[in-house]
Amino acid sequence: SQQGEEDPQALSIQEGENATMNCSYKTSINNLQWYRQNSGRGLVHLILIRSNEREKHSGRLRVTLDTSKKSSSLLITASRAADTASYFCATDSGGYNKLIFGAGTRLAVHP
Amino acid sequence: GAGVSQSPSNKVTEKGKDVELRCDPISGHTALYWYRQSLGQGLEFLIYFQGNSAPDKSGLPSDRFSAERTGGSVSTLTIQRTQQEDSAVYLCASSPRYSSYNEQFFGPGTRLTVL
Repeated sequence: SQQGEEDPQALSIQEGENATMNCSYKTSINNLQWYRQNSGRGLVHLILIRSNEREKHSGRLRVTLDTSKKSSSLLITASRAADTASYFCATDSGGYNKLIFGAGTRLAVHP
Repeated sequence: GAGVSQSPSNKVTEKGKDVELRCDPISGHTALYWYRQSLGQGLEFLIYFQGNSAPDKSGLPSDRFSAERTGGSVSTLTIQRTQQEDSAVYLCASSPRYSSYNEQFFGPGTRLTVL
């Protein structure tokens, strides 16, 4: 069963705009990670936020974590066409660091 | 350095046949994971290896699925008597060791189609 749920399921924006994706989860976690997937194949790790952190930045990415609400958000600023991909949140609450993924958000950035 | 590799990249098989999917993790990575992704869905955990042992097989959907890892490196996922619902992308990931704070490095996946 899926732990995380992302919304929106799909997001379409213009280049230069910001994109915000949200993720909710159900159980306690050690960390939450965001991954990107192009063309339905391999995933690329974007950022990891630990359960005792509230916000983290990496380049144009900003991730927030609210453990009281069991939710996280991923913000991509100044989006580019190359950001077009599916974005997944994943939590490690399954033990052995196995990741529990949500269904993902499909982001389309139009030139 | 080399990333996680998987073979074949695509596999088409007939219902009832057995298939073997291979994963070569990053050298030195002791933790290895198999996931399955059905069309338009997120990833579903299948099995975890630490070295050659599999302490967590909880995600294997049926006894038709098995996996092994030899020499603490290459892993093979075997699906016996394939069914159409087995069609999916099978992804392998590795990480340096078990830790709550290690990212996982994913291979490109094997797209399995069962006709």
